[in-house]
Amino acid sequence: NAGVTQTPKFQVLKTGQSMTLQCAQDMNHEYMSWYRQDPGMGLRLIHYSVGAGITDQGEVPNGYNVSRSTTEDFPLRLLSAAPSQTSVYFCAVGLYNEQFFGPGTRLTVL
Amino acid sequence: AQSVSQHNHHVILSEAASLELGCNYSYGGTVNLFWYVQYPGQHLQLLLKYFSGDPLVKGIKGFEAEFIKSKFSFNLRKPSVQWSDTAEYFCAVNLAGAGGTSYGKLTFGQGTILTVHP
Repeated sequence: NAGVTQTPKFQVLKTGQSMTLQCAQDMNHEYMSWYRQDPGMGLRLIHYSVGAGITDQGEVPNGYNVSRSTTEDFPLRLLSAAPSQTSVYFCAVGLYNEQFFGPGTRLTVL
Repeated sequence: AQSVSQHNHHVILSEAASLELGCNYSYGGTVNLFWYVQYPGQHLQLLLKYFSGDPLVKGIKGFEAEFIKSKFSFNLRKPSVQWSDTAEYFCAVNLAGAGGTSYGKLTFGQGTILTVHP
């Protein structure tokens, strides 16, 4: 979806390293979310935001931080990466009636 | 908290076979229901959605789903699958009328991988 971009596409980290996954949108939606996708577990909500300055926890927030200073950007921070955070991360934009997903970031933590 | 169950982890079909993927959810209130598809190497795309009205919903690419409230189910169907339908399919639920900041939250099922052989 051209309206939602994620960087990087691939990343390999060592345990304990930190990094930020970027998500940007040009759809002017207030609502943005971060999911992780693991085999056999579907997508699980990590954090979400209903607008600039407002964030809340989803189903699996531990080990992740978020902030929302602008409508366009919603970065996801891993402060100290762990192997359990190896996953594919998707950013989504929009309310429940239709969420538009970004292309994903495949993260491996060694 | 609500949960969503997809009964089949992996379904293998031949082209032209009929498809039905099961989805059940565990919430007694009003729900909005969705099916998303993820083609290999691509992001999730919305197939169809149900909010209210006719419980038989038609989506893109010949897919349809039926909401059966008494069974808490929202099964996905297609009369005749094609090789290009090979993908992973996700059922998702949103609690209609949820308060606070949770109104946008989707809960996804585990996903069903569909493999269609030519």
